[in-house]
Amino acid sequence: SQQGEEDPQALSIQEGENATMNCSYKTSINNLQWYRQNSGRGLVHLILIRSNEREKHSGRLRVTLDTSKKSSSLLITASRAADTASYFCATDGVQKLVFGQGTRLTINP
Amino acid sequence: DTAVSQTPKYLVTQMGNDKSIKCEQNLGHDTMYWYKQDSKKFLKIMFSYNNKELIINETVPNRFSPKSPDKAHLNLHINSLELGDSAVYFCASSPIPGVLAGGYTFGSGTRLTVV
Repeated sequence: SQQGEEDPQALSIQEGENATMNCSYKTSINNLQWYRQNSGRGLVHLILIRSNEREKHSGRLRVTLDTSKKSSSLLITASRAADTASYFCATDGVQKLVFGQGTRLTINP
Repeated sequence: DTAVSQTPKYLVTQMGNDKSIKCEQNLGHDTMYWYKQDSKKFLKIMFSYNNKELIINETVPNRFSPKSPDKAHLNLHINSLELGDSAVYFCASSPIPGVLAGGYTFGSGTRLTVV
């Protein structure tokens, strides 16, 4: 079964608004990563947060991790049309990444 | 230069045929992976090779046979294709097995349609 589950499955917002996506996972982890997938393309690594970190920033991205709740969130601030994509969380399995099913984000102009 | 390149990008074939997908990475990574993404966007690992040695085989039907002639190449051969094999197949690479700060580098995918 999938390790991570993203919520919501789809999100549609206006350009300039903030977008928040959540990820829940089942087993303990060493780290959690977020990836972006544009339509018809491969996944692109965005950010990694380790289990001993609570929050991490990268440009307009902010990731939080709550290991007690086994959950993470990805916040994209001041969204742009180019942010339209699917976003996946991934957790560390044994020598592999285990992905959630993704959140489809649509930014409306 | 594309870091991880897959060919072909699209593949349409009839049931029962045999087909191959090729993957090459020019990043100098030791580890390469095949992932399958189904119509619901679930991504599931199929195989992983580290320096030409198979390290992960995730309960994949033996109609699927990966081959790594060297650490820069990981090909996927599929025999007797079935309708359920229709999906997007992604190749990825990483410097070592498992997770690193830089994440995996993915190819752009091969969309396989079996008719």
